[in-house]
Amino acid sequence: KNEVEQSPQNLTAQEGEFITINCSYSVGISALHWLQQHPGGGIVSLFMLSSGKKKHGRLIATINIQEKHSSLHITASHPRDSAVYICAGVQGAQKLVFGQGTRLTINP
Amino acid sequence: DTEVTQTPKHLVMGMTNKKSLKCEQHMGHRAMYWYKQKAKKPPELMFVYSYEKLSINESVPSRFSPECPNSSLLNLHLHALQPEDSALYLCASSLTWGRNTGELFFGEGSRLTVL
Repeated sequence: KNEVEQSPQNLTAQEGEFITINCSYSVGISALHWLQQHPGGGIVSLFMLSSGKKKHGRLIATINIQEKHSSLHITASHPRDSAVYICAGVQGAQKLVFGQGTRLTINP
Repeated sequence: DTEVTQTPKHLVMGMTNKKSLKCEQHMGHRAMYWYKQKAKKPPELMFVYSYEKLSINESVPSRFSPECPNSSLLNLHLHALQPEDSALYLCASSLTWGRNTGELFFGEGSRLTVL
């Protein structure tokens, strides 16, 4: 069993919809990164969370330490949000344990 | 400047060639990382440098040789690679390595094809 599990693996939605991507993690993970990867490769760090909630523009990330669960929300989704979203847990001294990614497609 | 710059963006090499991938950042970060990513898979950590010293080598074959000449530069020297080494190689940096490293900054990656 992977130490960081994401769901869903694939998500297709219409422009404007509210999007939620979930991430569950195991014991030993002290913080979570949410990353975005567009086709062609480059990865952008969206958030790093160890507690609570963070917001940046239309993106919101939350983490529940007790339940070992984090969510990434996108409000008013847009085709340019289409990308792979990756949850990565910080284990020990900054070793990242990656989830398998969620491939998001937003149709116009 | 909040960029991690990787060169080249694309590289095609034969199994007998010697080539290098380069990574540069000017954010004052003291931790730099090499990741390997195969298609539709998450990145896999290869090496971590902290204060120009190799801190983690994730059992990477010796045909991959990292080098950190100074705090802004990280190289990955490639020699006698195999076709299965074809992948996207991502460089990343963070302020420090260890707990509370903060945000990770990734480069655009170098896409390597080994013939």
